[in-house]
Amino acid sequence: DAKTTQPNSMESNEEEPVHLPCNHSTISGTDYIHWYRQLPSQGPEYVIHGLTSNVNNRMASLAIAEDRKSSTLILHRATLRDAAVYYCIPNTGGFKTIFGAGTRLFVKA
Amino acid sequence: NAGVTQTPKFQVLKTGQSMTLQCAQDMNHNSMYWYRQDPGMGLRLIYYSASEGTTDKGEVPNGYNVSRLNKREFSLRLESAAPSQTSVYFCAGGTGLAQPQHFGDGTRLSIL
Repeated sequence: DAKTTQPNSMESNEEEPVHLPCNHSTISGTDYIHWYRQLPSQGPEYVIHGLTSNVNNRMASLAIAEDRKSSTLILHRATLRDAAVYYCIPNTGGFKTIFGAGTRLFVKA
Repeated sequence: NAGVTQTPKFQVLKTGQSMTLQCAQDMNHNSMYWYRQDPGMGLRLIYYSASEGTTDKGEVPNGYNVSRLNKREFSLRLESAAPSQTSVYFCAGGTGLAQPQHFGDGTRLSIL
């Protein structure tokens, strides 16, 4: 299984962009990169996923490095509601999803 | 649209008691999952069901059993609860390989 490295925590100001990095240097060529977030006292929530190209949706953007060894989740304008733990998860194509410790994002008003 | 529904939301058990956690989804998911999350930790996969009629062990299956009752329902059973099983349990559903999972709100289980 591909291993990931994420910062333990990051801090952002409200209404500023946030770039959450993830290193997944052992990812295989067919692994999708999934991002989830978990708000306090809630279950994880799907954010975005991609394979090779950069991806955008209503929640965020995902920038994937050309060598696919890293990716960055971009929140364009952080709000207080974005304070959560963000998980970067390479999907091995199987059913065994491995959640690491993630990055805890703090958003300051 | 309910999504993934877990019952109960909270439960307190005594050591040795048995308990079944229920999960139902109305999103037509083929695959379903049970995770546990201990304080300050990420989620760990207990069991999963790739499709109706199949179940497989995840990372931490010991002390648990599961039943995929039909396409909608996937239950998790603790036959003899232990304090080490105190945790928050999440059920999830997904449409298949490499596809995102959708999670329920969790069951907070305390075992005394």
